Amino acid sequence: AQKITQTQPGMFVQEKEAVTLDCTYDTSDPSYGLFWYKQPSSGEMIFLIYQGSYDQQNATEGRYSLNFQKARKSANLVISASQLGDSAMYFCAMRVLNTGNQFYFGTGTSLTVIP
Amino acid sequence: EPEVTQTPSHQVTQMGQEVILRCVPISNHLYFYWYRQILGQKVEFLVSFYNNEISEKSEIFDDQFSVERPDGSNFTLKIRSTKLEDSAMYFCASSEEQYSNQPQHFGDGTRLSIL
Repeated sequence: AQKITQTQPGMFVQEKEAVTLDCTYDTSDPSYGLFWYKQPSSGEMIFLIYQGSYDQQNATEGRYSLNFQKARKSANLVISASQLGDSAMYFCAMRVLNTGNQFYFGTGTSLTVIP
Repeated sequence: EPEVTQTPSHQVTQMGQEVILRCVPISNHLYFYWYRQILGQKVEFLVSFYNNEISEKSEIFDDQFSVERPDGSNFTLKIRSTKLEDSAMYFCASSEEQYSNQPQHFGDGTRLSIL
């Protein structure tokens, strides 16, 4: 079975500091992709960053980077230089090649950036 | 930047009534999806659609649900006889390819409230 676990229901970070949001995943399939989405209070789902299971390097997109530790099956999102606008829910998601095209989502982490 | 659009943003319906949620995927995308998110819970996959037919569906997507692409631009989710537990945010998503590193692009969601 495919599963995504996010163990931090809520996190706080000081503005301009870095924060790490945890994500662990479970799949026996060697081919998969990991995605992070941001969901502000308005409700939309915004794609942030992607990491493929065969990627040799950690993904980076601006202030977002992914700390991918394949042996530990973790794909933590690191947000550097936090801004007030980063306050939102963050969801980790996985797509597994041999189980179709659906995304499996975690329960999310609510991030609050403190001025 | 092209985006997935969903209407209405909020739908209130009496239990037992039929409801149709509408989505306009990104124009060059070929794969379409519906997800739902019950308040405070994780996003759950309902169904994926390609080439005018369902390609995958979850256990949630029972006989009460149906999807349709009635014309070249719209993608709809119909719930035939709504139940209280159908109250949720429903997200439409689309992607250009499947089984790739491309994310699924989500709309802003329709909040469905069943009374």
